[in-house]
Amino acid sequence: SAVISQKPSRDICQRGTSLTIQCQVDSQVTMMFWYRQQPGQSLTLIATANQGSEATYESGFVIDKFPISRPNLTFSTLTVSNMSPEDSSIYLCSVAQGAGQPQHFGDGTRLSIL
Amino acid sequence: AQSVTQLGSHVSVSEGALVLLRCNYSSSVPPYLFWYVQYPNQGLQLLLKYTSAATLVKGINGFEAEFKKSETSFHLTKPSAHMRDAAEYFCAVSAGSARQLTFGSGTQLTVLP
Repeated sequence: SAVISQKPSRDICQRGTSLTIQCQVDSQVTMMFWYRQQPGQSLTLIATANQGSEATYESGFVIDKFPISRPNLTFSTLTVSNMSPEDSSIYLCSVAQGAGQPQHFGDGTRLSIL
Repeated sequence: AQSVTQLGSHVSVSEGALVLLRCNYSSSVPPYLFWYVQYPNQGLQLLLKYTSAATLVKGINGFEAEFKKSETSFHLTKPSAHMRDAAEYFCAVSAGSARQLTFGSGTQLTVLP
């Protein structure tokens, strides 16, 4: 399966700032996704990152708060904008080669907002 | 629409005992089902997947799961628990042409010495 690298692995940020998380895959993949995992909870899909076009956001998530880029088939970024303590979570990137195919996850970015 | 229910947010077993983690799904079309494990400070690792082939699916680390359509279940089992199995386990479903996974709430497995 693909090797997925996420950077940074963790960060502590100040309220009101923004952080960009990078997801790099060692091979071309069809689909890339971004999830949020709040403390002690399950995963919630933020958006599907589409190569060369705007990401597809799930209900409750908006582009102004979570802008996403995907310039090619191996790389994507998620920015968490104007952060507040409620944004403290683990953010995970995943990849898949098609609908119904298993998704493979990076190790996540552990984000704390002071 | 698709959904997953994991029964039991916490399960404790003794080392060497049977592990049974329960997952029920809801889907209007034939589903694809997955079990993932998450160790502390790590991402999710795929344990096994059901994609409409054999109903009994064998995965890594000695785990297996059985797809039962009549019960809409996909329970995860392992005959003998090891201390290293202590982790959070997530059941997930993907249905039809849906690309995204819907995750259950997770089950924290504790293995007692």
